Amino acid sequence: DSGVTQTPKHLITATGQRVTLRCSPRSGDLSVYWYQQSLDQGLQFLIQYYNGEERAKGNILERFSAQQFPDLHSELNLSSLELGDSALYFCASSGLGDTGELFFGEGSRLTVL
Amino acid sequence: DAKTTQPTSMDCAEGRAANLPCNHSTISGNEYVYWYRQIHSQGPQYIIHGLKNNETNEMASLIITEDRKSSTLILPHATLRDTAVYYCIVPDPNFGNEKLTFGTGTRLTIIP
Repeated sequence: DSGVTQTPKHLITATGQRVTLRCSPRSGDLSVYWYQQSLDQGLQFLIQYYNGEERAKGNILERFSAQQFPDLHSELNLSSLELGDSALYFCASSGLGDTGELFFGEGSRLTVL
Repeated sequence: DAKTTQPTSMDCAEGRAANLPCNHSTISGNEYVYWYRQIHSQGPQYIIHGLKNNETNEMASLIITEDRKSSTLILPHATLRDTAVYYCIVPDPNFGNEKLTFGTGTRLTIIP
């Protein structure tokens, strides 16, 4: 158990819809990261937040947005969903110090029909 | 990020040492080498990281060549639970050592 909690574990929705994925980081971790893993693309970095502020951005689509709240949990919002958005979405957190050790949650599996 | 090259797949007999190579010939002097693994559809798991010296922890050993252009992850006594995809990552220090770019990794299969 990494200490990172993601909900929901599974989500099935239709094209055009909007969903929100939630992540609770390990206790005390200030950084939260979002990754997308689809069958044909491997793990793709989407975005990082540190103590509520966006810190790094990867290949995140404009239809996607994220935020980190004062209690440090984070939400990833996916809108105007397309079939190609079907993927595993992982959240990770890390603590103080630039050690590079990320703790990943078990992921949210999104299926868009 | 410095590019890394890993074999697509490897097999190893249970109980033997699994040696997973990684080439990172464009690595610069202040870039670390990280290893993670991902057991089928679970979240990736940190294994070990190093800069220039060899490192060992309870999971594995990391051997980095003197010129730092390649490294080897060693699982000393592989078990069936070590079957996973192993990722060798050299993050871009301009973004901190936390923006990790995962490649395709090596799919390690432990054979009973």
